[in-house]
Amino acid sequence: EAGVAQSPRYKIIEKRQSVAFWCNPISGHATLYWYQQILGQGPKLLIQFQNNGVVDDSQLPKDRFSAERLKGVDSTLKIQPAKLEDSAVYLCASRNRVMNTEAFFGQGTRLTVV
Amino acid sequence: AQKITQTQPGMFVQEKEAVTLDCTYDTSDPSYGLFWYKQPSSGEMIFLIYQGSYDQQNATEGRYSLNFQKARKSANLVISASQLGDSAMYFCAMREDQTGANNLFFGTGTRLTVIP
Repeated sequence: EAGVAQSPRYKIIEKRQSVAFWCNPISGHATLYWYQQILGQGPKLLIQFQNNGVVDDSQLPKDRFSAERLKGVDSTLKIQPAKLEDSAVYLCASRNRVMNTEAFFGQGTRLTVV
Repeated sequence: AQKITQTQPGMFVQEKEAVTLDCTYDTSDPSYGLFWYKQPSSGEMIFLIYQGSYDQQNATEGRYSLNFQKARKSANLVISASQLGDSAMYFCAMREDQTGANNLFFGTGTRLTVIP
């Protein structure tokens, strides 16, 4: 089966600009996570979706970050305006909640804010 | 409080030897799952092994085994017969199934270096 797809792989933007990341989870996976991984640290959960509903966005900096999952499949994560400290890898993961299995990760988007 | 604690920033192991990577966790949820992921320099997160809180036996997957000590809230990863390709970051993670809305929390990771 196809894995979790993310695009773009790399993005360089100037501070105060906006950026969007896209994630296509594994077919049939109702649960979708977005993580931020700063260099040298573990992934930090930003938001979790169950189908097209938000389960937990308590760690999402809502003044600048937004995410949506229309139709319960693809998801986009947006940052507007970006700050230097947003430089990180943004990982998307999906899970088949019914099967109670592990989460599968995409290759991530490496964002550099200059 | 940290939900997942990995106290070893870096570990070295000789090729073909076994190594243990430490992980302790903190939860009041009676139902939870513990995971180990490997992250090579290329960046992808690769699932290695899973242990459920109600599982009676320690999980094993090939050269990977999970030393689950529930009373001590530890879930150490044991890699046997280390290979050069095992050099990577290793992350311990926990999913709380009842109180935690199935969120998956990660530790800070351990960088393993296998020496030829």
